[in-house]
Amino acid sequence: DVKVTQSSRYLVKRTGEKVFLECVQDMDHENMFWYRQDPGLGLRLIYFSYDVKMKEKGDIPEGYSVSREKKERFSLILESASTNQTSMYLCASSLQPYTDTQYFGPGTRLTVL
Amino acid sequence: QKEVEQDPGPLSVPEGAIVSLNCTYSNSAFQYFMWYRQYSRKGPELLMYTYSSGNKEDGRFTAQVDKSSKYISLFIRDSQPSDSATYLCATTGGYQKVTFGTGTKLQVIP
Repeated sequence: DVKVTQSSRYLVKRTGEKVFLECVQDMDHENMFWYRQDPGLGLRLIYFSYDVKMKEKGDIPEGYSVSREKKERFSLILESASTNQTSMYLCASSLQPYTDTQYFGPGTRLTVL
Repeated sequence: QKEVEQDPGPLSVPEGAIVSLNCTYSNSAFQYFMWYRQYSRKGPELLMYTYSSGNKEDGRFTAQVDKSSKYISLFIRDSQPSDSATYLCATTGGYQKVTFGTGTKLQVIP
């Protein structure tokens, strides 16, 4: 079974803090994704990575950066957290970038105070 | 206009009912259609996957795509309380990111 794990289920941070969200997958997938999920807005793509050290901006990259130093690990970084970044963050991985099943982690509920 | 529109619900049905969940989309280039199921406090998981128009059946679940009207449906027969979840439709043309609907929350009452 594909397993995607995320470093924290719940996180509370203060405005201006630097926040790291980590994601690890164990299926040797080339492609990894970071989404945020908000009520009424659904899943929105922040960044995706199609190979180690390769990344592409998604629909809402502002205020975020990513790092992929190893194939299995994809990190989302909030350089200076703001209250409007309070959300559910979901990581996913897939074999092919666009047409393949995406396997999601359990999510990190981030609250920025 | 959003690329994928989905009624957020909530939809509440008695156990054993037939459930119909629907999405509309605007981009005629979309060719691949998916339904993900998301239980509370979990990540989405793929439920059904179809390519182009037509029907696909898997147990109690049937996915239907009508490309002429840009309409995607998921039918659940003999619904069970364990089907209570949020259902997200998703689609892509194959060479760009997957676009997700906002999800419909379903509750099946015993």
